[in-house]
Amino acid sequence: KNEVEQSPQNLTAQEGEFITINCSYSVGISALHWLQQHPGGGIVSLFMLSSGKKKHGRLIATINIQEKHSSLHITASHPRDSAVYICAAGNTGNQFYFGTGTSLTVIP
Amino acid sequence: DTGVSQNPRHKITKRGQNVTFRCDPISEHNRLYWYRQTLGQGPEFLTYFQNEAQLEKSRLLSDRFSAERPKGSFSTLEIQRTEQGDSAMYLCASGSTETQYFGPGTRLLVL
Repeated sequence: KNEVEQSPQNLTAQEGEFITINCSYSVGISALHWLQQHPGGGIVSLFMLSSGKKKHGRLIATINIQEKHSSLHITASHPRDSAVYICAAGNTGNQFYFGTGTSLTVIP
Repeated sequence: DTGVSQNPRHKITKRGQNVTFRCDPISEHNRLYWYRQTLGQGPEFLTYFQNEAQLEKSRLLSDRFSAERPKGSFSTLEIQRTEQGDSAMYLCASGSTETQYFGPGTRLLVL
């Protein structure tokens, strides 16, 4: 079993739809990250969470520490949001555990 | 550009050859991480430096792999006697477990 599990693995949405990507982790964490990776591109950090909720533009990330669960929401999705979204847990032992990613395609 | 840089961006090599990748972290970051990412998977931790000290190595890092950070600034990752299974994206990041900044990666193809 992976330390970080993401769902769904693949997601196709129509432009304008509300999107949710889920992440569950089994390790103790100091921080939970949501990352974005475009095809052939590098990784961009979207959010770093240790509690509660963060919002940046159309992106919202939440975390429930007790349930060891985080969600990434995209409101009013757009084709340029198409990318792989990766959840990563940073623990106090200086290791980083990554989920396998959710491949999102937003159709115009 | 003050972000993390990696060179080369792409490398094609024949099986059995040695390859070396370089990572230049953000200058004020004393922590540097190497990851490997294969197609359709999330990145996997390989190793981590604090300044010039290599503090942690994954069991994924076989004896064909070696990483150095001689002056606590840039780092190199060398793979000796490459195998086709080494084909992957090799990512470098600097920062901390709270905030990591990723480089663009070096894509390795072993023929």
